[in-house]
Amino acid sequence: KNQVEQSPQSLIILEGKNCTLQCNYTVSPFSNLRWYKQDTGRGPVSLTIMTFSENTKSNGRYTATLDADTKQSSLHITASQLSDSASYICVVSDNTDKLIFGTGTRLQVFP
Amino acid sequence: DTEVTQTPKHLVMGMTNKKSLKCEQHMGHRAMYWYKQKAKKPPELMFVYSYEKLSINESVPSRFSPECPNSSLLNLHLHALQPEDSALYLCASSQDPPRVASYEQYFGPGTRLTVT
Repeated sequence: KNQVEQSPQSLIILEGKNCTLQCNYTVSPFSNLRWYKQDTGRGPVSLTIMTFSENTKSNGRYTATLDADTKQSSLHITASQLSDSASYICVVSDNTDKLIFGTGTRLQVFP
Repeated sequence: DTEVTQTPKHLVMGMTNKKSLKCEQHMGHRAMYWYKQKAKKPPELMFVYSYEKLSINESVPSRFSPECPNSSLLNLHLHALQPEDSALYLCASSQDPPRVASYEQYFGPGTRLTVT
């Protein structure tokens, strides 16, 4: 069964600190992996999208990595800001019309 | 313009009401989606339209009726909903290849629906 699992479920960090979120998937065939940021009550906003051949991709303070062999991805946030408080969702495409969503990591950044 | 707009932002309706949610994009995308999202859960796909034709219906109850009048507009007609249908309804769009999921999906801000 195609699944996407994320850890931790929730995370609290202090402003200015770095953090790393994890995503493991069992989706096959694999097309691409995306990380979305979703503020409470708002639609998800894309941070990165990576295909099989890409190992890392950055978007400002966000850096995503992908290991297609172990089927793992991470999202690293550098120098966190209060505005980074949100849910971060890992989404994997199996090359059809559907996306397989992880359950998300809820990040809270405190001053 | 890389924006997907949704109206209304909030909707409260009774179980006997008929209402509609509206979604609009002007990015020239030919695939549009409806998702339902409950609190602290990931979005669940409901419908996919590809080139204005319904391509996926994820066994959604008939009290939800999608409509795609043209390539820029997507509606979701609601009738005889239940309280458990209360959720955030998200619209998204993407370019439409053969493989829709290869392309970036842009999400709207959502409509917060409450069924009383």
